[in-house]
Amino acid sequence: AQTVTQSQPEMSVQEAETVTLSCTYDTSENNYYLFWYKQPPSRQMILVIRQEAYKQQNATENRFSVNFQKAAKSFSLKISDSQLGDTAMYFCAYLGRSGGSNYKLTFGKGTLLTVNP
Amino acid sequence: GAGVSQTPSNKVTEKGKYVELRCDPISGHTALYWYRQSLGQGPEFLIYFQGTGAADDSGLPNDRFFAVRPEGSVSTLKIQRTERGDSAVYLCASSLRLVSYNEQFFGPGTRLTVL
Repeated sequence: AQTVTQSQPEMSVQEAETVTLSCTYDTSENNYYLFWYKQPPSRQMILVIRQEAYKQQNATENRFSVNFQKAAKSFSLKISDSQLGDTAMYFCAYLGRSGGSNYKLTFGKGTLLTVNP
Repeated sequence: GAGVSQTPSNKVTEKGKYVELRCDPISGHTALYWYRQSLGQGPEFLIYFQGTGAADDSGLPNDRFFAVRPEGSVSTLKIQRTERGDSAVYLCASSLRLVSYNEQFFGPGTRLTVL
């Protein structure tokens, strides 16, 4: 079974600074997808950014970008110009077939990010 | 348009009772997913539907858990003989189709507390 590891339970950053959240995963598949989700206190899970494993180019979405290292099975999230509204729980997630015929989403334990004014 | 909605937002019940949790997916989304999020953990897959049928229910922890989607839209997660260990946030998500590249849109979840 696939596993997703987020080694930083909590992180903090000053407003306007840059922060990087780490994620590693374990898989024997070649085709899969990786995601970062944001979960604020409202509990609503919101997709931040996605990366297809077959794409070498790192995905970017405005202030959010990833560093995808396929060989190292690493998928970190960089948040630039941090804003107070970025304060939330961030989950790394892996979407793969897990040896079966259907795709399943596997989440890490999350990193609680606090942006300080 | 409206997002995924879940009712109730909070449910408190006593050990041994039966509960039903409801999910209304985004209109037109044929795929629907249920996840369970325990305190301090990421969501864990329970079951997903393509249309009315359960495409994969391998994440259901035991036979006390059951989910239905009779008309291919609204889904109900049913838990019999609740136990304290069932306390968690139950998240529902939907996507346009059951394919890898379709984004899953999540609801706000139902927080279940079993006393």
